[in-house]
Amino acid sequence: GESVGLHLPTLSVQEGDNSIINCAYSNSASDYFIWYKQESGKGPQFIIDIRSNMDKRQGQRVTVLLNKTVKHLSLQIAATQPGDSAVYFCAEPGGGADGLTFGKGTHLIIQP
Amino acid sequence: EPEVTQTPSHQVTQMGQEVILRCVPISNHLYFYWYRQILGQKVEFLVSFYNNEISEKSEIFDDQFSVERPDGSNFTLKIRSTKLEDSAMYFCASTPWEEETQYFGPGTRLLVL
Repeated sequence: GESVGLHLPTLSVQEGDNSIINCAYSNSASDYFIWYKQESGKGPQFIIDIRSNMDKRQGQRVTVLLNKTVKHLSLQIAATQPGDSAVYFCAEPGGGADGLTFGKGTHLIIQP
Repeated sequence: EPEVTQTPSHQVTQMGQEVILRCVPISNHLYFYWYRQILGQKVEFLVSFYNNEISEKSEIFDDQFSVERPDGSNFTLKIRSTKLEDSAMYFCASTPWEEETQYFGPGTRLLVL
């Protein structure tokens, strides 16, 4: 089965509210995770990453939380804007030159 | 800010024809990748390339696929005899030395008829 997966296919939030997108992983040895944003018709865009020696990492309006006990990570987007509408993927590299393994994606819809 | 670029943005081809998808990775990056995304599905790894040779390939990357870095800037994916199921978005990505963050291009949408 997948080593990285997303809980919900679609998340709908009101503009200005905070969004939380969740991701589960199965390999307890995983040490690096990446969140990507993919807008319609475009390639995945790097948002933020986190290594397993951290529990939390903050960027501009985004925060990633990592709970190694339950093998879960989340992406929090503060004060969502229309431009945040996209599909969000968590991904896990195989290490070195290996390819990324992507989850199925969560489609974030921002309602006015 | 440097970006990965890909050409063409769209390609329509007949089943059985050869296609070449082109990518220009970010200039100081050393690892290169191809991924595909079938409509409505997740992004899937095809192949990684380093030091002018394939580093790793997935089970999708069969004998119909090949990659090449013909010069110092381009990175190509060739599909020798396209099948209907090859219709997908194809993304190129690159990463700097010893960093794992991969930066993706905008993709080529391939439609096989």
